[in-house]
Amino acid sequence: DADVTQTPRNRITKTGKRIMLECSQTKGHDRMYWYRQDPGLGLQLIYYSFDVKDINKGEISDGYSVSRQAQAKFSLSLESAIPNQTALYFCATASGGTDTQYFGPGTRLTVL
Amino acid sequence: AQSVTQPDIHITVSEGASLELRCNYSYGATPYLFWYVQSPGQGLQLLLKYFSGDTLVQGIKGFEAEFKRSQSSFNLRKPSVHWSDAAEYFCAVGVSGTASKLTFGTGTRLQVTL
Repeated sequence: DADVTQTPRNRITKTGKRIMLECSQTKGHDRMYWYRQDPGLGLQLIYYSFDVKDINKGEISDGYSVSRQAQAKFSLSLESAIPNQTALYFCATASGGTDTQYFGPGTRLTVL
Repeated sequence: AQSVTQPDIHITVSEGASLELRCNYSYGATPYLFWYVQSPGQGLQLLLKYFSGDTLVQGIKGFEAEFKRSQSSFNLRKPSVHWSDAAEYFCAVGVSGTASKLTFGTGTRLQVTL
C-alpha cells in the first residue's frame, strides 16, 4: 500500500462549488503539505502543518483552507471553486528534522 | 528568500548518451538540495538529496548530483540514459531550521530518443 494517498485522484467540478481534497499517510510523519502544480510553474506551496495544532499559510493560500484532522490526515478545501484553480494538487509529508518530503500521487482538479 | 532556477525547460537525449540537468539556487547559507523526478501521471519521487558532507551525492536509478558552492549549483547527472528516464525533473531547495519548506524550480522535461 502507498504511504501517502490522495482522494479523489481526479475531480471535475463547476465554478462556485465547494471541494475537499483529502490526504492520508501511514509514514508516521508529523509534517504535511499541500502544493499545486501548474505547467511551467513547478510546485507552489499552499499550506503546511507541522502538527495537528500548527497550520501555516504558504505562498498561494488565497481561496484555499485546510484541516488537520489527525496526525495522519490533512484536507484541502476550496470553498468556492474558480476556473483558475484548475491544477494538479499534491500532498506531501516529512519527518521533522530531515526535510525530505514524500509525495502522494496527486489529484487532478478541473473547475469548469 | 531562496530561489531555484532550472534554465532548461526541455532536453532531448539519445538512449545511452550522458545527461546533465542544470540547477542553480539562491540562498545565503548552505542549503538542503533535492532532485525529484515526476513520471507522466505520477507523483514526485525523490532521486537524491544533499544536506552536508561529500559534495558528490549518489541517488537512485544511477543518478548523481554534485553540489558546487562557488557556482551555487546542484546539477544532476547520469552517465547513460535509459528510455525509462523520460520524465520531468525538479530541483528543490529547503531551509532547515526555519520552516522545512521547499522551493521548487520550474522543472526540466527530459525526452529520450531511441
